[in-house]
Amino acid sequence: EAEVAQSPRYKITEKSQAVAFWCDPISGHATLYWYRQILGQGPELLVQFQDESVVDDSQLPKDRFSAERLKGVDSTLKIQPAELGDSAMYLCASSSHMNTEAFFGQGTRLTVV
Amino acid sequence: AQSVAQPEDQVNVAEGNPLTVKCTYSVSGNPYLFWYVQYPNRGLQFLLKYITGDNLVKGSYGFEAEFNKSQTSFHLKKPSALVSDSALYFCAVRESAGYSTLTFGKGTMLLVSP
Repeated sequence: EAEVAQSPRYKITEKSQAVAFWCDPISGHATLYWYRQILGQGPELLVQFQDESVVDDSQLPKDRFSAERLKGVDSTLKIQPAELGDSAMYLCASSSHMNTEAFFGQGTRLTVV
Repeated sequence: AQSVAQPEDQVNVAEGNPLTVKCTYSVSGNPYLFWYVQYPNRGLQFLLKYITGDNLVKGSYGFEAEFNKSQTSFHLKKPSALVSDSALYFCAVRESAGYSTLTFGKGTMLLVSP
């Protein structure tokens, strides 16, 4: 069964350092999402791609976060510099069409110390 | 702006009893509605969806949900709860038109006691 791959699963980084997360969506899925989930809360959308284009990044803190999806396949989310408040689970998901469900990866648990 | 409300932080039910997890939504157009389940330190797992058609939709693991347009609700139900159903459940909505975002509720913890 096809899955959304994310790496790393866990990341500990010091405040002010740079950190990057990688996501490989299910093959053929045009829509890719990055969500941030703080413990005990629902996922909050950071950025949504349709192929290689950003369709929504209104909640992405652009002073420190960046996301790219070159060639419309895999994607990288970067934080520089990391802050203590960035500690959270970062989830990647993909879907084939707007009326289909999104499939989620296992997530990256980020701890900023 | 679209939104999802899950009014209960936690639902407690005894094994074998029916369960309901509530969800109401707000979108400007027609909704696509989804339920997901999350186990500790894992990603979200899709349970079921309403796109169009029959208001009662059936999904994985015996779960079902009823779409009620007049009440803007999409409650998750199961006739007989299992201890293994204990997890965090999320309702999500997107508008059917255009490249709308997928918005999640804050989640409801379901605890099924033996």
